[in-house]
Amino acid sequence: GAVVSQHPSRVICKSGTSVKIECRSLDFQATTMFWYRQFPKQSLMLMATSNEGSKATYEQGVEKDKFLINHASLTLSTLTVTSAHPEDSSFYICSATDSRDSGNTIYFGEGSWLTVV
Amino acid sequence: GENVEQHPSTLSVQEGDSAVIKCTYSDSASNYFPWYKQELGKRPQLIIDIRSNVGEKKDQRIAVTLNKTAKHFSLHITETQPEDSAVYFCAAMDFGNEKLTFGTGTRLTIIP
Repeated sequence: GAVVSQHPSRVICKSGTSVKIECRSLDFQATTMFWYRQFPKQSLMLMATSNEGSKATYEQGVEKDKFLINHASLTLSTLTVTSAHPEDSSFYICSATDSRDSGNTIYFGEGSWLTVV
Repeated sequence: GENVEQHPSTLSVQEGDSAVIKCTYSDSASNYFPWYKQELGKRPQLIIDIRSNVGEKKDQRIAVTLNKTAKHFSLHITETQPEDSAVYFCAAMDFGNEKLTFGTGTRLTIIP
């Protein structure tokens, strides 16, 4: 079945630096991908919609200049956390929908644990 | 936008008993309602879903019911087993925008 792969699975970075997380659809094309953030013991919150070839759409309260999203191809979206701070430490997860089948199945990446020290 | 509420936040049931988790949603445009099981640090796993043109769906020990008029849907797990212990999330989506809104989660504990 369709697979969405996310990398890295875990990353530790120093406060003030930037870190990039990749989300790839391995066997289908995704014009739209989604980025979620999940703090410990909380729910998944949609951060932004990544649109291939155009600007991402950010949810209310999410800083677009801090969370840079690039969807340069039909199989890759990247999330860059710029000037990371300890409060950005979280589980980041992407998703994409395989619309080839009528079911419009949603696939999630494995998730990326970000720790900012 | 969509708002999904989920209850209870924690639930403990004796092994073999049934567990019920309830969710309400606000956007009448939502037409897809999946339920996910999530282990710590892992991606959500789809366990069952229902579309707005159906009122009930069952898959072995798991069932979901949907009341579109009242805008609520429920997850039912029968004959619970220890491996059912996990965090469960409901979600709602409008296929028109593909945005998935999650509920707040329920930590289910099955007591052996």
